[in-house]
Amino acid sequence: GAVVSQHPSWVICKSGTSVKIECRSLDFQATTMFWYRQFPKQSLMLMATSNEGSKATYEQGVEKDKFLINHASLTLSTLTVTSAHPEDSSFYICSASRTEYGYTFGSGTRLTVV
Amino acid sequence: DAKTTQPPSMDCAEGRAANLPCNHSTISGNEYVYWYRQIHSQGPQYIIHGLKNNETNEMASLIITEDRKSSTLILPHATLRDTAVYYCIVRIIDRGSTLGRLYFGRGTQLTVWP
Repeated sequence: GAVVSQHPSWVICKSGTSVKIECRSLDFQATTMFWYRQFPKQSLMLMATSNEGSKATYEQGVEKDKFLINHASLTLSTLTVTSAHPEDSSFYICSASRTEYGYTFGSGTRLTVV
Repeated sequence: DAKTTQPPSMDCAEGRAANLPCNHSTISGNEYVYWYRQIHSQGPQYIIHGLKNNETNEMASLIITEDRKSSTLILPHATLRDTAVYYCIVRIIDRGSTLGRLYFGRGTQLTVWP
C-alpha cells in the first residue's frame, strides 16, 4: 500500500514552453502532497505544499507564478513549470502524506530544458 | 531548513552492521525523526521513523538518545544494494497544525563494499 506514481519519468522540452508533471496516489487519498526539486549531487529541496481544494503553500524563494501547482482531487496533484528555461532542468519529486505520519515519494521526473 | 547534521560519507563491509549517526540538537518535543534513503536517480525510500523510543522494522533499527539530540540508524547486515544516500530528517510541524513537512539535509553517502 501507499504507492505514489509520477508521470512522466523524464521529459525534454524547448526553452519557453510549459511542462506539466503529474503526481498520483494510487491506493490512498492524499489531502496533502509535496513537491521537491533536486539538482545533481545536491539534496532534495522542498518547493511547495499542495493542499487538496486550496492554494498551494510555497517555500521562500520559490516563484509561484513559474511553478503552478494544482491539487484538484484527493489522488492527483500537478506541477506545471511555465516558460521553462535551461536553469529549470532538474529532478522533480513529489511526495504524498497518507496520515500525519506517513510520507511516500514518487519515483521522480527528470526535466531537461533545451 | 534541515535541523540535522550527518557525516557526508561512510563505508561499510558487506555483511557487517552499518551505523549511521545523526545530530539533531534543536529538535522539539513533538518532532519525529525520519530516515529515508535515495539510490541514484530514484525517489527517496522510507526506512524508519521514531519519536523517543528505539524502533525496529524489517529494514533497520533506530536508536534515539535519551535527550533526543542524536540518533543512529543501524542496518544490521549491510548488502551491496544498501549503497545509497541516507537522509536523517526532523519532521517540522506548523504551530497549531498536525501537518508536518520534511526538509532534507545533505545526507550520508553510504558505500557498502564487497
